[in-house]
Amino acid sequence: NAGVTQTPKFRVLKTGQSMTLLCAQDMNHEYMYWYRQDPGMGLRLIHYSVGEGTTAKGEVPDGYNVSRLKKQNFLLGLESAAPSQTSVYFCASSFGLAGGETQYFGPGTRLLVL
Amino acid sequence: GENVEQHPSTLSVQEGDSAVIKCTYSDSASNYFPWYKQELGKRPQLIIDIRSNVGEKKDQRIAVTLNKTAKHFSLHITETQPEDSAVYFCAANNAGNMLTFGGGTRLMVKP
Repeated sequence: NAGVTQTPKFRVLKTGQSMTLLCAQDMNHEYMYWYRQDPGMGLRLIHYSVGEGTTAKGEVPDGYNVSRLKKQNFLLGLESAAPSQTSVYFCASSFGLAGGETQYFGPGTRLLVL
Repeated sequence: GENVEQHPSTLSVQEGDSAVIKCTYSDSASNYFPWYKQELGKRPQLIIDIRSNVGEKKDQRIAVTLNKTAKHFSLHITETQPEDSAVYFCAANNAGNMLTFGGGTRLMVKP
């Protein structure tokens, strides 16, 4: 039981390049989330999904897109990376809504945009 | 929307001492308050949570207290050990039933 996994672990992009971050969970959770973590700002919700085929915007969605084609996978895309998107990205999943259930986090993806 | 403020941003204690981290929230409708611990280079993990129908919850050396009237909640760690060194995040649920996180507290326990 791997829990929540993320790929890649680390990536360097040039401004304007695109990339996709992959999150996978094997706990059969309905709810999945993408957060970014910046120093002193805690974890901020980018997008989330309440089930296969559904996505919704979080607190800081601009510049990102997501897809949830399969229940176990949640993809985060950056179409045109900007230096402001340099951050550590965490995926999480939960059995119920985050506002009342334990979230299980992935190991994170460190992204540097030059 | 919900706003969660966390203090202090850094905290240094001697091994064996107690540590207290405080958070305030703005939305009086919030009713779920988890605490996550993140060790250096690792993922955040839930260590304790409290719901609005109780004022205090304990789990061995850690406890959380909630004051709904004042809209603040605190994490208490007693008999601190070096392995308690980490960044701690508080959070509160918001109107969308997602979590709003505080900015984090870096706790350093000196042996």
